[in-house]
Amino acid sequence: AQKVTQAQTEISVVEKEDVTLDCVYETRDTTYYLFWYKQPPSGELVFLIRRNSFDEQNEISGRYSWNFQKSTSSFNFTITASQVVDSAVYFCALSEGGGSYIPTFGRGTSLIVHP
Amino acid sequence: DSGVTQTPKHLITATGQRVTLRCSPRSGDLSVYWYQQSLDQGLQFLIQYYNGEERAKGNILERFSAQQFPDLHSELNLSSLELGDSALYFCASSPHDRSDSPLHFGNGTRLTVT
Repeated sequence: AQKVTQAQTEISVVEKEDVTLDCVYETRDTTYYLFWYKQPPSGELVFLIRRNSFDEQNEISGRYSWNFQKSTSSFNFTITASQVVDSAVYFCALSEGGGSYIPTFGRGTSLIVHP
Repeated sequence: DSGVTQTPKHLITATGQRVTLRCSPRSGDLSVYWYQQSLDQGLQFLIQYYNGEERAKGNILERFSAQQFPDLHSELNLSSLELGDSALYFCASSPHDRSDSPLHFGNGTRLTVT
């Protein structure tokens, strides 16, 4: 069965600090997909990135970067020079290629960025 | 804007009542998913439809039911409501029912049962 763990319930930082959100997953499938979503205070979940299990290249998009490491079953998300607008709940999710294609979500990490 | 529309935004009702939540997927998306978000349970998958057919079922109570219509909009029916059903209910859509498809979520319907 697939499982996603986001051990950090809440993180509080001051603007311009770098912050890393951890995501650890469990799956028996060799083909799977990992996702990050952002839920701002307005409530809507917004898709940020997808990674497949065969692509371990790290990805950078502006201030956001993702580190995928199969050896540690982790898919961590780093925000560089955080801003108040980054305040949100961030969810990591996993769907299996061979098993259940329905995404399983972690419990989410609430990021609070203080001015 | 994700393109997924959910109505109503808020719903306040009493225990024992029945409500219907409505979802219109993004244009072109055939798959609709329903999730329940509560503080203690996180995001829980309820049910998924693809092109009008039920494809997957999660932790959906027997008091809850859903359907997807020929125009692809979906409705989630919650009956015999209990206080514990108070939560944020999300609809999401994707083009396919494949594991590589990211989900596009609506704004959610906040249900309060009093």
